[in-house]
Formats: sequence, structure tokens, C-alpha cells
Amino acid sequence: QLQLQESGPGLVKPWETLSLTCTVSGGSVDTSSYYWGWIRQPPGKGLEWVGHIYHSGSSYYNPSLKSRLTISVDTSKNQFSLRLNSVTAADTAIYYCARQGLIAVTVDLWGQGTLVTVSS
Amino acid sequence: QSALTQTASVSGSPGQSITISCTGTNNDIGGYKYVSWYQKYPGKAPKLIIYDVSNRPSGVPNRFSGSKSDNTASLTISGLQAEDEADYYCSSYSSTTTLVLFGGGTKLTVL
Repeated sequence: QLQLQESGPGLVKPWETLSLTCTVSGGSVDTSSYYWGWIRQPPGKGLEWVGHIYHSGSSYYNPSLKSRLTISVDTSKNQFSLRLNSVTAADTAIYYCARQGLIAVTVDLWGQGTLVTVSS
Repeated sequence: QSALTQTASVSGSPGQSITISCTGTNNDIGGYKYVSWYQKYPGKAPKLIIYDVSNRPSGVPNRFSGSKSDNTASLTISGLQAEDEADYYCSSYSSTTTLVLFGGGTKLTVL
């Protein structure tokens, strides 16, 4: 059964770079059947799509984050990653990695989520 | 402010039925049959319970059903159970540059 697990620092200083990795187990990230994405939830707020990537490296970003965001995939490690530059307190959130369908981009599988706090 | 609009809260007694609505635009809910619904317990990851407007993944009870009319999607839970108390989020594909939209969430309280 495919599982997703986020990893990375739980605390990031303002204006620094937030980096998270999602490790895929029980399946391969190198598949033509799905996208691999990131969704976040700020404390007390709703869900927000961050972006997603195809195994080939084609990526799609939320326009509100696009200038600061990079999502990459490493098929040799069966991982995909998120880098968000110049973070502020507004980027404090639980970050979920996810598997998304190709047509409807429905998230059908979620990681457990990891809380990232932006604070000095 | 979320891109899709949901009522903040809804409540019902065990055995009753409730409906949660999610309103979007012609660029998302109104234009495509790509609406999904997620159930989320505090401290847990969301779980997909409805996809493509009205389809249930394997293992999701048939008490959960989805529908769509024009720019509004709906999630109906019939025969409410205490375990249904959770937050529910709608989501839709969008033809704008923000490809995936979520609603702000609806907190369901089972009285």
C-alpha cells in the first residue's frame, strides 16, 4: 500500500528557505498515472493547494506562491520536494504531501502532514 | 478568503441527514465534473470521501453522497453518526492558473 511521509525542519526563520521532502513508499514516484503535490493548512484556516509535479519534472504552482516556490522530483530516491523562499509568518502551516490524479487533480492520498513554523 | 465558499458550520442529530454546500464559479464547479470532498479530523490528514462530484472511493459508506447543480456542489450525509463529527472540505479543478481550489471548510457537529 502506497504511503507518503513528509520530512524537514519544523522551524524556519523569516526570510529563509523552507525545504520539505516527501518520501514515497510502497509504490513509485516514477509513474505516468499521477501527479505528486503539496497542500498546506495554516493554523485555524482552510486548505490551500501549493503545487504539484509530474514524474517528468513538469510542475504547476499556485500563482500566489509561484515567485518563491520550487517543486522537484527525484525518481532515483523515490522522493519529491518543496522549496519555498523568503518565508514569512504567513507561511506557517501544516504541509501535506499528496498524490493527485491526472485529469481532475483530485488528491486521493495524503501524507500525515508536518507543521512548519516561521519564527525567529 | 477561500476560492470556494462553504458554510462555516452545520449540525445535526444522530440519524438525521445534513447537507453541506460549496459554491464556486463557471471556471471550476460549474464548468467541470471534478468536485471532490474530504473529511478531516483534528490533527489528522484529510481523507477523500467523494470524487468526480458523486463517486465514493472504496470503503466510504454510502451514507455519504455528492451532487452538483450549476456552480454549487453539495455533500449529503444521511443517517448521521457520532463519528461523522469532523471538518469537511470541498475541492474543484479550476481552469484558471490556480488549478486546484479548496473551500474554507465546514465544521459538522453531531448533537
